[in-house]
Amino acid sequence: KNEVEQSPQNLTAQEGEFITINCSYSVGISALHWLQQHPGGGIVSLFMLSSGKKKHGRLIATINIQEKHSSLHITASHPRDSAVYICAVSPSGNTGKLIFGQGTTLQVKP
Amino acid sequence: GAGVSQSPRYKVAKRGQDVALRCDPISGHVSLFWYQQALGQGPEFLTYFQNEAQLDKSGLPSDRFFAERPEGSVSTLKIQRTQQEDSAVYLCASSEQTSGVFSYEQYFGPGTRLTVT
Repeated sequence: KNEVEQSPQNLTAQEGEFITINCSYSVGISALHWLQQHPGGGIVSLFMLSSGKKKHGRLIATINIQEKHSSLHITASHPRDSAVYICAVSPSGNTGKLIFGQGTTLQVKP
Repeated sequence: GAGVSQSPRYKVAKRGQDVALRCDPISGHVSLFWYQQALGQGPEFLTYFQNEAQLDKSGLPSDRFFAERPEGSVSTLKIQRTQQEDSAVYLCASSEQTSGVFSYEQYFGPGTRLTVT
């Protein structure tokens, strides 16, 4: 079993829909990261959080440390949101290396 | 300011050839990470530097993989006698600092896509 699991693996939505991507992890962490990767492009950090909730524009990330679960929400989705969204954790007491989930491929159709 | 850069962006190597992949981190960033991303998968950790010291190389898949960061800035990942299973995107990331208690945001380069034929 992977230490970081994401669901769903693939997601297709219509423009304007509310989207949720889930991440569960099995190790103790110092932080959880949500990352975005466009085809052929590099990885961009969206959020780094260790508790509660963060919001940036139409993106919201939440984390429940007790349940070892995080969600990434996209409100009013747009075709330009189409990308791979990756959840990654920084294990506590570690060097800062990240353990990644397998990614969620999101396609938003106009 | 300049982000993390990697070169080459694409590399095709014949099986058995040696390759060298370069990473230029953000100026002043203490920590540097190498990750390997197979097609359709999430990245996997290879190795980590704090300044010039290689503090963790537990993710290097074999002794054919070697990384260095001699002056604490630019890093090179070298793969000797490449095999087809080495085909992947190699990502470099840097961050300001790292510790076991706090995490810092990592900034990723565009990656080098290595294809071994």
